[in-house]
Amino acid sequence: RKEVEQDPGPFNVPEGATVAFNCTYSNSASQSFFWYRQDCRKEPKLLMSVYSSGNEDGRFTAQLNRASQYISLLIRDSKLSDSATYLCVVPRPTGNQFYFGTGTSLTVIP
Amino acid sequence: DAGITQSPRHKVTETGTPVTLRCHQTENHRYMYWYRQDPGHGLRLIHYSYGVKDTDKGEVSDGYSVSRSKTEDFLLTLESATSSQTSVYFCAISESSGYTFGSGTRLTVV
Repeated sequence: RKEVEQDPGPFNVPEGATVAFNCTYSNSASQSFFWYRQDCRKEPKLLMSVYSSGNEDGRFTAQLNRASQYISLLIRDSKLSDSATYLCVVPRPTGNQFYFGTGTSLTVIP
Repeated sequence: DAGITQSPRHKVTETGTPVTLRCHQTENHRYMYWYRQDPGHGLRLIHYSYGVKDTDKGEVSDGYSVSRSKTEDFLLTLESATSSQTSVYFCAISESSGYTFGSGTRLTVV
């Protein structure tokens, strides 16, 4: 099993839709997780952190399921500006390092 | 803003030539990282540094070397560039809230 796996998509959704992405991880000892957003030809930028059961920020909700070893990102009321690639990030067992998923591509359609 | 700058932003070089990419940070972060990003692979760690003159290899370190003679600068050198090193290179620093990335260097080896 890969350290972190994401569905690459692409997800094409209409404006206003709700969309959810999942990310599975292999290291059951992982404590903190992150979702990053990456726009085309730009650097990844931190979207949300997930430290316990979940985290909510406006239209975005990140949830953690330790038993099944996955995290999810829910986007409600999708906007055109949400179109991007979303990266799941999981800490490595040792050191101050992380595993990055390959990303899930989202396109919000007018 | 973590104040990370990468240079150059774009570079085209010939196979067999040495290339050095520079990462500069202004906030005295201890940890700095070099990643490459390729389609289908996501972000992969090349080398990282945990202090001046303290560096270690990542998962794809072959063909690369790094140096950190000052806290603020982390250099990545391709000793003899190959076409397989054509990629987008990101520098990053780590904070309690996760990684902050530079804007990236798009390197093409012809």
